[in-house]
Formats: sequence, structure tokens, C-alpha cells
Amino acid sequence: DARVTQTPRHKVTEMGQEVTMRCQPILGHNTVFWYRQTMMQGLELLAYFRNRAPLDDSGMPKDRFSAEMPDATLATLKIQPSEPRDSAVYFCASERGGSRGDTQYFGPGTRLTVL
Amino acid sequence: QKEVEQNSGPLSVPEGAIASLNCTYSDRGSQSFFWYRQYSGKSPELIMFIYSNGDKEDGRFTAQLNKASQYVSLLIRDSQPSDSATYLCAVNEYGNKLVFGAGTILRVKS
Repeated sequence: DARVTQTPRHKVTEMGQEVTMRCQPILGHNTVFWYRQTMMQGLELLAYFRNRAPLDDSGMPKDRFSAEMPDATLATLKIQPSEPRDSAVYFCASERGGSRGDTQYFGPGTRLTVL
Repeated sequence: QKEVEQNSGPLSVPEGAIASLNCTYSDRGSQSFFWYRQYSGKSPELIMFIYSNGDKEDGRFTAQLNKASQYVSLLIRDSQPSDSATYLCAVNEYGNKLVFGAGTILRVKS
């Protein structure tokens, strides 16, 4: 059963520390999304890639967040330096890509707490 | 102004009843519409998608789309306690980028 995997599942860190979250999309999916979910803001798109190229990162604070896809099997989201307001659940999702009804499959998420 | 609007709820229905969840969107150019279910502490999972006006049925679920009114709904027949979750409406505005509503909390009481 193909799934999106994310690591770590939970992360507690102190303000100012670097945080790296990783995502392995479903094999064969060419589009990868990063979302952040909080009670106040709901589910927000941070960035997404197609065929490893960044298509849109307008939802991401550029000064501290960065997203990359070093290869087709790995996407990373980094926060440096982290702040308490970054505390949220970060989801990665992947999609096969190419048609209107394509489904985004979500990973289990990384719950980040910044103290 | 939020682009995808949902009533936050909670919507409470008795077991066996029909639950009706509603969503409105602002971009008339929207192409595809999705309903995701999210259990507490879990990730969103797709229930249905629709892109043509009218109804689309899948088991106990029916999605309804009215592009003229910019309105999409999800009906859940014979609601079960296991249907209790947050239901997220998502709209594909261009490309593959989805915009999510804030979600409606559904509680099915046995």
C-alpha cells in the first residue's frame, strides 16, 4: 500500500534552532506539496514542486523557511531560525500529476513544537 | 476575504440521519472540487472529487456542485458515529494548487 512518509513525526525544539522535516512522496508521483495546519489558520499551502522544480513558494516566509527536492524520492522543509509561532503540524502531500481529478495523498504529518 | 468558506460547526446529527455539509468559493474559474475527511490527530484523506455540475454518488456519500452559485456540498446518508470528523472542502483554482476551507466539524450521535 503506497503511502507518503514523513520524518520526524514529532519534534520539540527551542527557539532559534534549525528544524528539518523530510518527506518521501509516493513512487511515481511527480508533484509534492508542503502544508502547514494550525487551529487559527487551518491548512495553508507553503510550497509545491513538480518534477523537482519549485512552482510556487508564495505561502512560505522566505526569510526563515526553505524547501527543496534533492531527488525525486525526497523533499525537505527547513526552518532556520525557528520561532514559537512556527509551532504547527506540517503535512507533505504528493500527487501523480497531469489530470484534473488527480488526488493529493497526505503524509501523517510532523507535529512541531517550538518552545 | 477567505476564498473557500465553510461553516465551522459543529454540525450534530443523530445516527442514521443525513448530514449535509456546505462550501462556497469565490473564484469562478475554479475547475475541480474536493472533499477531504480529517480525524482528530490524523492527516486529511480524500472522500470525493467533482468537476461537473450536478451530483456524484459514491456509496453513502454524494457530492453536489453548482458552478453558477459557486457552491459545493457533501451529503452523507445513514450517518455513523465513525463519520464524526472534520470535513475539508478544497478547490483547485489553477494548476494543481488546492485552496482549503477551514473545515466543518461533524458529530454523529448514537
